[in-house]
Formats: sequence, C-alpha cells, structure tokens
Amino acid sequence: DGGITQSPKYLFRKEGQNVTLSCEQNLNHDAMYWYRQDPGQGLRLIYYSQIVNDFQKGDIAEGYSVSREKKESFPLTVTSAQKNPTAFYLCASRAQGTTNTEAFFGQGTRLTVV
Amino acid sequence: DAKTTQPPSMDCAEGRAANLPCNHSTISGNEYVYWYRQIHSQGPQYIIHGLKNNETNEMASLIITEDRKSSTLILPHATLRDTAVYYCIAPRMSGGTSYGKLTFGQGTILTVHP
Repeated sequence: DGGITQSPKYLFRKEGQNVTLSCEQNLNHDAMYWYRQDPGQGLRLIYYSQIVNDFQKGDIAEGYSVSREKKESFPLTVTSAQKNPTAFYLCASRAQGTTNTEAFFGQGTRLTVV
Repeated sequence: DAKTTQPPSMDCAEGRAANLPCNHSTISGNEYVYWYRQIHSQGPQYIIHGLKNNETNEMASLIITEDRKSSTLILPHATLRDTAVYYCIAPRMSGGTSYGKLTFGQGTILTVHP
C-alpha cells in the first residue's frame, strides 16, 4: 500500500540530546513537509522540501534541521537548541502539479523531552 | 498561501447537516481550496478540494461562492465520528503548478452531539 510513515509513534529523550524523527513515503511525491502541533493548536510549518537536495525554512525552523538526500525520505532532527521540543510532530507529502495535489499525512510522532 | 479565516468552533446535532464556512478573500484565480480534518491525535485527512465549481464526493460537498472569496464545507448527515478539527487552506500556485509552503491555520473544532 502506498503511504507515508512516521516512526516512532512515541519518543522520549533527555533534555540536551538531539533526536531524529523519521518520515518515509512511497507515493513518489516531490514535496515533503514537517509540522509541529502543540495541545489545542493548529499545525505550524517547520521545514519543507520541494525536491531532492533542497529544502526551505518554514515559520518555526529555529532549533530544527532536515535533510532530503532521497525522494522518499525527509528526516527531522530536533536539536538541543530547540527550547521547547515536547510536541506532536507531523510529516506530510504531496505531488507537484495543477490538480490532485492533496497532502498526505503520517500518523505523527509524539516527542516528550524530560 | 492565501490567508484563510474560519470560526474557532461549531456544534452540530447528529444526523443534521454541518456547514463549515471559510473566508479566503485574497485567493488568486488559479488557487484551489482544500479541506482537511484532524481527529484527535491523528494526522490530518484530506476531504475535498475545488477551484470554482461546487464539488461533491463520498465524504462531503464543497460550495464555493462565485467571487471565490469564501467556501462552505457541508457534511450532509453528521455523525459522532465527524467530531474533529476542520482545516481550510488555499495553497499558493506558481507557474500553473502547486508550489511552496503548505500553511494551515487554527481550523474549526466541530463537535457533533447526540
């Protein structure tokens, strides 16, 4: 089945440690996105990538880093510089084009930093 | 992306139609309106999209005003399982194709009650 997979579903880390969240898609989509969601809030864009080896900062990129070495993969690293990393993280992908460019989302990773 | 404005919350009785409004007065002529919903602690799910004609699928109907400055998502017979956050977005288009950021606002919390 085609889809987008995030792993793990739950992640616990100690304060001061970097952590990498995985996002993989087999939909052959060019564009991929990372969002952060805090309780009772909407989705805020962290980073996005429209093509392999290229990515742009979203609205809240500070303290995060990404890479896009393969079309299928867009990992997000939450660095120790992120002041409040505990949140629900969502990855999405979509095709580039004129129509049928709806985004597909993973089921999210809930990160807790203690 | 075109700015979208939605009411923060709405209620609906089970079995009745739920009509969720969205304002997008700055939308450009070739930008589609997309609707997604997010059930608690899951990734958002695509519902429907449209450009200027009304659209219907197995999940919902989308009514877009003639001037394209607003739209309404209609769930014809709401059930308790339709309780979710509903997002209306209008992704930017450039060169005739989808492009760049995919920005979500706060959405509308729809509560369907018995």
